[in-house]
Amino acid sequence: EAEVAQSPRYKITEKSQAVAFWCDPISGHATLYWYRQILGQGPELLVQFQDESVVDDSQLPKDRFSAERLKGVDSTLKIQPAELGDSAMYLCASSLDEGRGFFGPGTRLTVL
Amino acid sequence: AQSVTQPDIHITVSEGASLELRCNYSYGATPYLFWYVQSPGQGLQLLLKYFSGDTLVQGIKGFEAEFKRSQSSFNLRKPSVHWSDAAEYFCAVVSRGATNKLIFGTGTLLAVQP
Repeated sequence: EAEVAQSPRYKITEKSQAVAFWCDPISGHATLYWYRQILGQGPELLVQFQDESVVDDSQLPKDRFSAERLKGVDSTLKIQPAELGDSAMYLCASSLDEGRGFFGPGTRLTVL
Repeated sequence: AQSVTQPDIHITVSEGASLELRCNYSYGATPYLFWYVQSPGQGLQLLLKYFSGDTLVQGIKGFEAEFKRSQSSFNLRKPSVHWSDAAEYFCAVVSRGATNKLIFGTGTLLAVQP
């Protein structure tokens, strides 16, 4: 079965440094989501792409976070500079329609 | 605004016992509802979904859920729990409109006693 790929799986960084996460969705899935999951909480949507266009980034802290999906396939989420409160699991998901998301394994970020 | 409530933060059951995890949603129209499971340090795996039709939905790993519009609920059930079911379970609703956005509950952590 096709899967969503994410890398790295784990990232440790110091505050004020830049970090980047990569996601490769299931082939043919036009919709791509980035979620942030703080320990003990449910995932929260950061940004949603339809092909290469951002359709929802209302919860993305745009002063430090950026996301792109240049060719409408894979995507990169960047944080610069990282803060202690950014420590979380970052999940990528892709979907054909109706919001049913196929999730990747996630990237666990620890900011020291 | 659409929302999902999972009233139970943590549940412990004995292996072989039955399980019911509660989920209540707030949504104006007929919702699209999901249950996901997350093992420690892993991504989310879809257990089952409800879009329309039969209100009793069968999923993977022996799970089922029942959509009850009158109670705004979508509870997850399993007749006999296995030790491998220990994980965190998330209920989610799709916020349909200009975008289809999954909104998650806060999760229920299931522990299974031998």
